[in-house]
Order: sequence, then C-alpha cells, then structure tokens
Amino acid sequence: KAGVTQTPRYLIKTRGQQVTLSCSPISGHRSVSWYQQTPGQGLQFLFEYFSETQRNKGNFPGRFSGRQFSNSRSEMNVSTLELGDSALYLCASSWGTASKETQYFGPGTRLLVL
Amino acid sequence: AQRVTQPEKLLSVFKGAPVELKCNYSYSGSPELFWYVQYSRQRLQLLLRHISRESIKGFTADLNKGETSFHLKKPFAQEEDSAMYYCALSVGTGNQFYFGTGTSLTVIP
Repeated sequence: KAGVTQTPRYLIKTRGQQVTLSCSPISGHRSVSWYQQTPGQGLQFLFEYFSETQRNKGNFPGRFSGRQFSNSRSEMNVSTLELGDSALYLCASSWGTASKETQYFGPGTRLLVL
Repeated sequence: AQRVTQPEKLLSVFKGAPVELKCNYSYSGSPELFWYVQYSRQRLQLLLRHISRESIKGFTADLNKGETSFHLKKPFAQEEDSAMYYCALSVGTGNQFYFGTGTSLTVIP
C-alpha cells in the first residue's frame, strides 16, 4: 500500500506571496491532518480534515487554511507569507472513523520564505 | 491548556545501558498518549500508545496520571535505537495531537 505523499517536496517563496501544498493520504484513509515543524516550536497542529470538513483546528492565524476533496486528498494554503512561515509542513492520514488514531506521516514539504 | 514537555533535547547512552526518555503532559481531561519515532532519513512513525500497553522493539511506557508523565523506557539500548523520539498527547474528538519538542537519542557503540 502506498504511503502518504506530499507535493512539492521543496518550495522557495518570497514574503507576501501565497503557497499551496498538497497531500495524498493512504488509500482508504479519510482523515488528513497538517502540522508545521520548526526547530524552535517543534511539531504544531494546524488542522484536521475528515470527509471534506474541518474537524479540528489549531492555533494558527487565518492566513493558514485548508480543504479536502472527495477523494480525501487535501491541500493547505498559506496566504501573505511571512519569514516565520519557513518550516517543514507535514501531513498525516488515518482512517478517521475513530478518535486518536495512529497517524501515518508523509515526508513533508520544506518551505523557505525569503 | 494542553502541553507536552520533553525536557531533554539530547540524550546519549552506551549500548546495553538502560534508557529513559522523559515526557510530561498537562491536560485536565483523560489523556491518551503516544510515542512517535523518526529514524534517520525515515518518516515519523508510531512507536507505541499507552492504551495498547504493548512493548515495541523492547520499549515500554507507563502512564502515570499522578505525576502526569509518560516516560519511555528500554532496559538495554541498541545502536538501532538512535533516533528522534516525540511524545504526543491526543485530546478531544478526531485526531488532534500535541507533540513535545522531541529528544534525540544517540546510542554509543
């Protein structure tokens, strides 16, 4: 079974631009969560989508948004990029039918904001 | 507010020595705790969860609600245990996880 895939793997943007990251979950998984990983803050929860609906949301500003499609693929968008948005963005998928499920992580998208 | 603390950023032990990676949490409800591991050039993956009460790769972790801790232990460290270890707390419904900042374990041959 193929694992979680994320595209692109690397991105360089400049301040003020916007960016869209994509995540394809493991086949059959309907829950997709997004995390931001930085050296100083570690892994921080952004949001979780299940059946095309946002089910949970972390403490990030509204510039961070996401969506999920009917095939469970998810996208995350960051508008008006700031230098501090430079990070590794991880997505994780799970079946979604229960709470607190094992999360299967993708390789991440490394975003650099200049 | 929910919080997970891993006080040690770096931990080095000799092969064959016992190892303990510390994790403390703060949460007013009933916690569910996990340990995730990331080996070099691999993805983050689940090591164990407290509700299963399993021993994975010789590691165990006991939830101590009185001390709000979920320390990871192994009696005899192996070189292949060298990795980054993250403690995580799940709250509410769905899959919302709070991760600690991680401990990098190095097992010295």
